[in-house]
Amino acid sequence: GNSVTQMEGPVTLSEEAFLTINCTYTATGYPSLFWYVQYPGEGLQLLLKATKADDKGSNKGFEATYRKETTSFHLEKGSVQVSDSAVYFCALRSKTSYDKVIFGPGTSLSVIP
Amino acid sequence: GAVVSQHPSRVICKSGTSVKIECRSLDFQATTMFWYRQFPKQSLMLMATSNEGSKATYEQGVEKDKFLINHASLTLSTLTVTSAHPEDSSFYICSATGYNNEQFFGPGTRLTVL
Repeated sequence: GNSVTQMEGPVTLSEEAFLTINCTYTATGYPSLFWYVQYPGEGLQLLLKATKADDKGSNKGFEATYRKETTSFHLEKGSVQVSDSAVYFCALRSKTSYDKVIFGPGTSLSVIP
Repeated sequence: GAVVSQHPSRVICKSGTSVKIECRSLDFQATTMFWYRQFPKQSLMLMATSNEGSKATYEQGVEKDKFLINHASLTLSTLTVTSAHPEDSSFYICSATGYNNEQFFGPGTRLTVL
C-alpha cells in the first residue's frame, strides 16, 4: 500500500542554519505530495505541496521538489529561524487510496538562538 | 481560504462517559470528511472517512461501535467516542475536502479521559 517515510528526529539546529528533512514515498499511480507543519499544541497547517513530477512547492522560505525517479520530496530551507520550531509531516494523497492523506511519522525540529 | 472548525477544542471526561466532537466546514460544502487521531509525539492515523448521507468507512482496527461518526449535512460531521476510557485520550483531528479537491484540516480536539 501507499506509505511515507521521513528521517528520524528530533532535529536541532542553530538559527540561520540550513535545513533538510528527507522524505520518500511508496505509491501506485501519481500521488500529490505535501508538507504539513504542526506548531506546539496546534493543528496542522499546509506548508507546501506539489501535484506532479518535477513540481517545486514553496512557502515561507521552505521548498520541496517532487522527484519521481527517486520517489522523494525532501524539505529544505536555507536559513531557519526559532519560529520554525515545530513538527513537520510529509504526506501523500492518491486516487488509488481514495483521496486519503497518508502521513509520515513526523520530524520534530528545534531551532535554538 | 477554506476554514474547518472543531468543537470543543479540549474536553476532559470521566471514564465510561461519551463525548461528541463536531467538525464543521465554515465556508464551503464538504461531501467527504476524514477523522484522524494523533497520540503524543506520533503521526496522524486515519480513523475513518465520513461521507454525507451514508455510513462512514472505517480503517482496519478502528471499532465502529466505539467511534460513531455521523455526517448529517454538507458542513457538519460528528465523532462520538462512546464509553470513553483513558486509552482513548488523544488528539482528534478532522479534515474536509473542499474546492479544487483540496483537504483542509481542523485545529484538533484534545480529549482527556480520567
